[in-house]
Amino acid sequence: VMTQSPDSLAVSLGERATINCKSSQSVLYSSNNKNHLAWYQQKPGQPPKLLIYWASTRESGVPDRFSGSGSGTDFTLTISSLQAEDVAVYYCQEYYSSSYTFGQGTKLEIK
Amino acid sequence: QVQLQESGPGLVKPLETLSLTCTVSGVSVSSPTYYWSWIRQPPGKGLEWIGYIYYSGGTNSSPSLKSRVTVSLDTSKNKLSLKLNSVTAADTAVYYCAREKYNGLFDSWGQGTLVTVSS
Repeated sequence: VMTQSPDSLAVSLGERATINCKSSQSVLYSSNNKNHLAWYQQKPGQPPKLLIYWASTRESGVPDRFSGSGSGTDFTLTISSLQAEDVAVYYCQEYYSSSYTFGQGTKLEIK
Repeated sequence: QVQLQESGPGLVKPLETLSLTCTVSGVSVSSPTYYWSWIRQPPGKGLEWIGYIYYSGGTNSSPSLKSRVTVSLDTSKNKLSLKLNSVTAADTAVYYCAREKYNGLFDSWGQGTLVTVSS
């Protein structure tokens, strides 16, 4: 089970936004020493977009204000300086198990 | 540039079979580099992985849906398909097809298609 916190978040433009994700089991795979944890961004009416994988690797083309951190069971997505276009729902997802479970989502809005 | 496009009926009756197709362009579904998945999202809710297929025909699906799901490939048409049988209102969702650049890591998505289960 992947549990995100908070469920919703309002941040002022230019401020930092932090979203947390906790897994019920470790997603650190011993054979490659990598955390099988990804973050996606979903804007209204659009499919999800891959932002971060291996917990901290940015997908090509993703702005460097997005960063991921954490290991084992606890992870964080940070947006260093919130822009208007970052308003979206953010999901974490484990790809360690064969169930590929997503978190429930965190809705990010402008304060 | 890879593109995926879902298609199929927008309305399915309870207990019937939901059938969707995903047309892929820009990459061959026969490539051994990628897996191909279906994911769904009930209106206003979160994401649920349904199942995947590999170019070899190997498949896997969510334990909660395994008994009702069939995922297949048509390499001649560069398409993948989803069949979900015995549907109920709980299966109402936007259904996405997606490419996996690594097992369970979805890097390209279709726009999604809404399927409503109702009589």
